[in-house]
Amino acid sequence: DTEVTQTPKHLVMGMTNKKSLKCEQHMGHRAMYWYKQKAKKPPELMFVYSYEKLSINESVPSRFSPECPNSSLLNLHLHALQPEDSALYLCASSQGGFSDSAFDTQYFGPGTRLTVL
Amino acid sequence: AQKVTQAQTEISVVEKEDVTLDCVYETRDTTYYLFWYKQPPSGELVFLIRRNSFDEQNEISGRYSWNFQKSTSSFNFTITASQVVDSAVYFCALTEGGSTLGRLYFGRGTQLTVWP
Repeated sequence: DTEVTQTPKHLVMGMTNKKSLKCEQHMGHRAMYWYKQKAKKPPELMFVYSYEKLSINESVPSRFSPECPNSSLLNLHLHALQPEDSALYLCASSQGGFSDSAFDTQYFGPGTRLTVL
Repeated sequence: AQKVTQAQTEISVVEKEDVTLDCVYETRDTTYYLFWYKQPPSGELVFLIRRNSFDEQNEISGRYSWNFQKSTSSFNFTITASQVVDSAVYFCALTEGGSTLGRLYFGRGTQLTVWP
């Protein structure tokens, strides 16, 4: 089973709202990722967690706050977003934890389509 | 510099035609992996194939085949007898050594439309 689930599928929020995106995997993977994808562009890496610790933050604005409560769950907390933050947010996971983890396949979830009004 | 180049932005074919999606990559590492992902309109990136830099054997999976040529730094993807369900954006991606976690370098993607 290579399934990564994401909720919600769609989210519309105002600039003053606080919301959260959720990602879950049950493949025993130890690395999890958040990507942002604008229309007609490739995904852009935002954050990487390894063994529940934040290992990469691609200079993402603080209005995006990731959280990894356990090895199966990844959240992205959203606060005071801007209209330009509207995008598809993709979660991914990979096996991680080994010396050649750089080459692991990343498995993606279906994404959350976020619209900021 | 772009590490992965997909020069074809959009391709349109009619069902049952064969189509090749081009991917050219750039890296100084001797150990690297190449990937293809499919993104249908629903949005999910679907993993198709992973190939390491030491394995230049071509691969066939059903109607899909991949041609890896290190001499030209290319990893092209061919769909034989295309079907409407093949319509999607296809991304080629590269990951290099030197880090403990994979940083995927994506190409810009090729939008494939298969008409009935």
